[in-house]
Amino acid sequence: GQQVMQIPQYQHVQEGEDFTTYCNSSTTLSNIQWYKQRPGGHPVFLIQLVKSGEVKKQKRLTFQFGEAKKNSSLHITATQTTDVGTYFCAGRDTGFQKLVFGTGTRLLVSP
Amino acid sequence: DVKVTQSSRYLVKRTGEKVFLECVQDMDHENMFWYRQDPGLGLRLIYFSYDVKMKEKGDIPEGYSVSREKKERFSLILESASTNQTSMYLCASSSGPSNSLKGLFFGSGTQLSVL
Repeated sequence: GQQVMQIPQYQHVQEGEDFTTYCNSSTTLSNIQWYKQRPGGHPVFLIQLVKSGEVKKQKRLTFQFGEAKKNSSLHITATQTTDVGTYFCAGRDTGFQKLVFGTGTRLLVSP
Repeated sequence: DVKVTQSSRYLVKRTGEKVFLECVQDMDHENMFWYRQDPGLGLRLIYFSYDVKMKEKGDIPEGYSVSREKKERFSLILESASTNQTSMYLCASSSGPSNSLKGLFFGSGTQLSVL
């Protein structure tokens, strides 16, 4: 079945450093979504990418969808302590309707 | 403001009990989902529904059933709770047709402990 992997599992950075998490699917995706979950909270939808090679920005966050629509990345420029949490990608296979979540990347930011 | 409400934040049940987890959304969304979240395993889809009285199995439906009698309410049922069903359960809803879903709105989750 469809699998979505994320790396790294965990990253600890100093405030001000950049951070990137990568998402890879075993199958071609129709779209990919990104979520953020703060410690003790629930996942919150950040963005959806649909087109091959698409790049979207939200302030310090940059999201990319690969040309082959099998991978994606989230890059945070100059991290802040408010960026702490777990970032999940979620992709839907072109042949199925289910949204499959990646295993998540936990980000810790030290002041 | 959009809202997905789960009936309990914490729940403790005994092995063999029948457990009902309730979820209500006030956004008139067509689609509703139940996930469980376990450390190191991410979010795994249990069941989902694209319409009233309609349900589809997710990736891990064994030991669970669901009910969607009204558009706003999606219930998860553990017929006979077991210790391996101890987990955080997250309900979510989204708008859009089934082949073009928008982002999911999640409830706050129910931490279920089965003793």
